[in-house]
Amino acid sequence: RKEVEQDPGPFNVPEGATVAFNCTYSNSASQSFFWYRQDCRKEPKLLMSVYSSGNEDGRFTAQLNRASQYISLLIRDSKLSDSATYLCVVPGAGGGNKLTFGTGTQLKVEL
Amino acid sequence: NAGVMQNPRHLVRRRGQEARLRCSPMKGHSHVYWYRQLPEEGLKFMVYLQKENIIDESGMPKERFSAEFPKEGPSILRIQQVVRGDSAAYFCASSPTGQDYGYTFGSGTRLTVV
Repeated sequence: RKEVEQDPGPFNVPEGATVAFNCTYSNSASQSFFWYRQDCRKEPKLLMSVYSSGNEDGRFTAQLNRASQYISLLIRDSKLSDSATYLCVVPGAGGGNKLTFGTGTQLKVEL
Repeated sequence: NAGVMQNPRHLVRRRGQEARLRCSPMKGHSHVYWYRQLPEEGLKFMVYLQKENIIDESGMPKERFSAEFPKEGPSILRIQQVVRGDSAAYFCASSPTGQDYGYTFGSGTRLTVV
């Protein structure tokens, strides 16, 4: 299993749709997880942190399943501005004090 | 707070030249991380530095790449004798303690080797 693996995408959804991304990780000792958002050719920006079973912030919900070693990100009522690449991030998955990024899932929200 | 500042934003080098990428962390942050993003790929960890010390360089290529974070001034990622495969976006992030992972990234330096 890869250290961090994500749905390949792209996900093309209409405005207003609900969309979910999954991410699996290999390091069972990982305690915290993150979703970052990256717009085309820009820096990644922290979207949500997940430390326990889940976290909700407005239209965004992140859930963690430790037994199955996966994290999900749910976006409700998608907006055009949600179009971006969503990166699943696991600290220390490769060992040490660093972040391991998934390759990202591209979301395109269309009219 | 100006955030993490990287310069230059874009850098073009001919094969064989040297590239120097600079990163000034957020005010009060003494931990710096460098990541590389190759075209159509995810971000890969390169090196983690604290003031005057390299803490983890497990992601650095063995040759031509070096990094420093001096007591005064920005962190520098140096690539000697660049090759076309070095063309990528290089992102720097900083944190205050090295124990929190919600990093703030700089806007990156896009290196193009021609």
